[in-house]
Amino acid sequence: NAGVTQTPKFRVLKTGQSMTLLCAQDMNHEYMYWYRQDPGMGLRLIHYSVGEGTTAKGEVPDGYNVSRLKKQNFLLGLESAAPSQTSVYFCASSRTSGSNTGELFFGEGSRLTVL
Amino acid sequence: GDSVTQMEGPVTLSEEAFLTINCTYTATGYPSLFWYVQYPGEGLQLLLKATKADDKGSNKGFEATYRKETTSFHLEKGSVQVSDSAVYFCALSDAGGGADGLTFGKGTHLIIQP
Repeated sequence: NAGVTQTPKFRVLKTGQSMTLLCAQDMNHEYMYWYRQDPGMGLRLIHYSVGEGTTAKGEVPDGYNVSRLKKQNFLLGLESAAPSQTSVYFCASSRTSGSNTGELFFGEGSRLTVL
Repeated sequence: GDSVTQMEGPVTLSEEAFLTINCTYTATGYPSLFWYVQYPGEGLQLLLKATKADDKGSNKGFEATYRKETTSFHLEKGSVQVSDSAVYFCALSDAGGGADGLTFGKGTHLIIQP
């Protein structure tokens, strides 16, 4: 089973460039999340979605946009990349609210470097 | 707001040693508590959980007990192996069942030497 798949896994951008990270899940989960992981900071929630067509801001949403046009896909966009957005990005999904079960399923991560 | 505090490490142990990774939390109400593990090059995966006070979660030889009186959820294992080398994250849920996922600690890097 594929579970949660993120593309691309690695990307190098120049300051000001734009890009989109794609997250796809094949478990028919309602909830999807984007986190960033930075040294000494743990995981911080960027945006999340509670179902197709919905999105909401997390702890660190500035500089990012998201879309959930299809239930299985959750896209994270950077319109004008900045060096501060150099990070490892993780997508996760859950059947119900992650708070209720704790069972978040994570992708393998996407390492983004902004020069 | 909710928060999770855990030792960051790295924690270096010899194979077969006893492991404790401390985790304390601050939350309103009575959250559920979790330990996630991240092996090198992989995403996080759920290791164990406890949903109410005095519950003990266990998996793969790891255990943690939900202690409401000390607001703690320490991770323990009696005899670690090299394959346990990973980053361990303590996390909690919003007791109100909010949709915004979990609150994670900063992670503890565990290194087990043969």
